[in-house]
Amino acid sequence: AQSVTQPDIHITVSEGASLELRCNYSYGATPYLFWYVQSPGQGLQLLLKYFSGDTLVQGIKGFEAEFKRSQSSFNLRKPSVHWSDAAEYFCAVGYDNDMRFGAGTRLTVKP
Amino acid sequence: DSGVTQTPKHLITATGQRVTLRCSPRSGDLSVYWYQQSLDQGLQFLIQYYNGEERAKGNILERFSAQQFPDLHSELNLSSLELGDSALYFCASSGSGISYNEQFFGPGTRLTVL
Repeated sequence: AQSVTQPDIHITVSEGASLELRCNYSYGATPYLFWYVQSPGQGLQLLLKYFSGDTLVQGIKGFEAEFKRSQSSFNLRKPSVHWSDAAEYFCAVGYDNDMRFGAGTRLTVKP
Repeated sequence: DSGVTQTPKHLITATGQRVTLRCSPRSGDLSVYWYQQSLDQGLQFLIQYYNGEERAKGNILERFSAQQFPDLHSELNLSSLELGDSALYFCASSGSGISYNEQFFGPGTRLTVL
C-alpha cells in the first residue's frame, strides 16, 4: 500500500545545531515529494519540492532536502536551526493525482 | 499570507448539527482541496474540486459533502456531527487540476463539536 512515514514524532535541537528530519515513502514509482511547515495556528507552507533532476533540492528559509531513490527517502536538512524554525514539519508525496501527508514531526528548538 | 481565505476561524456546535465551512482560493487558482487535521488521524485529504467539478476523493465521510461554485469559492458541509468530527479543517488551492503541484493552504477552521 502507498504510504508516507515520518519516523520521528518529536525532535528537540539546540539553536544553531544542525537538523535532519526523516521521510520515507512506499510507492510503486518515484512520486513527487514535498516538505511543508506548519507554525502554530497557521496553515501549511511549502518549504521545497522535488519533481525530477538534481536530487538535492534547495528550499526557503535555508532548508534543503535530498531524494535518495535507493532508500525511498526524502530527508529535510538545515545546517543551523533558528528559534523561529520551531514548528511542525510534514512530508508529502504525490502520485497519480493522489497526495498523502506524513504524520508530521514536531520540532522544538532549545535556546 | 497564502492568499487562501477560510471562514469562520472557529466554530463550536453540538452533536447532530450541520455546519458549512467556506473557502476562497487564491486569485486565479482553479483547484480547491479540503483536508481534515486531527490529533489521532493527522492530516487527511478529503476532496478536491477543479473548476467546479469533483476531481478526486479521499477519506471523506458520507455525512460530509462539498461543492465549488462558479466564482471558484468552495464550501464543505458537515452534517449529523459527531464528537469525533472535532478537528481543524484546511482548504488549499492550486493553479492546476493536478493534486501534486504546489498547494497553498488557508489558515483553517477549527471545529469543536460538544
